[in-house]
Amino acid sequence: AQRVTQPEKLLSVFKGAPVELKCNYSYSGSPELFWYVQYSRQRLQLLLRHISRESIKGFTADLNKGETSFHLKKPFAQEEDSAMYYCALRGSSYKLIFGSGTRLLVRP
Amino acid sequence: DVKVTQSSRYLVKRTGEKVFLECVQDMDHENMFWYRQDPGLGLRLIYFSYDVKMKEKGDIPEGYSVSREKKERFSLILESASTNQTSMYLCASSLPTGGGSGYTFGSGTRLTVV
Repeated sequence: AQRVTQPEKLLSVFKGAPVELKCNYSYSGSPELFWYVQYSRQRLQLLLRHISRESIKGFTADLNKGETSFHLKKPFAQEEDSAMYYCALRGSSYKLIFGSGTRLLVRP
Repeated sequence: DVKVTQSSRYLVKRTGEKVFLECVQDMDHENMFWYRQDPGLGLRLIYFSYDVKMKEKGDIPEGYSVSREKKERFSLILESASTNQTSMYLCASSLPTGGGSGYTFGSGTRLTVV
């Protein structure tokens, strides 16, 4: 079965601290993995995807097939990073499977 | 720059009413999706469509139906609204799979059933 687990409902850090939002997945094949972000009163939007190996707004995520993880990292958190973050997986079908989300709160 | 438009931002309906949620996209995307978003549960897929007049059930289709008569429009129908369908409903569209194509989401419809 395809499944995405985000173990933390809330992650609270101080400005300038490193951030790691955890994501583990369950899928037997080669998945496509994504991180989506929803800022307050804004629509859900794509942050980054593993296939492009990009860094967006200072965030990076590396696919670790051995640990079946796709953790989202940023070395120095900013207040404007406060948002809801969702990890998502696409296996063999059209649909994305989302995790339950982690709320990141960056305190001044 | 709005690409996926959901017709209503807020809706209040009575138990037993038939409810229509409309979604339109202008990106010529083949795939369209309806999710509901609930705290602690994330996004759960209700229905999706990969072509006009084609539809497939997602993970929680009970109590819902959909219609896709035109490529750009995907409607979610609550046949007889119930209080447990109070939620935020998100529509999304995407290109066919492959190449890491993600979804583009609408701004959501917050439905309250009283």
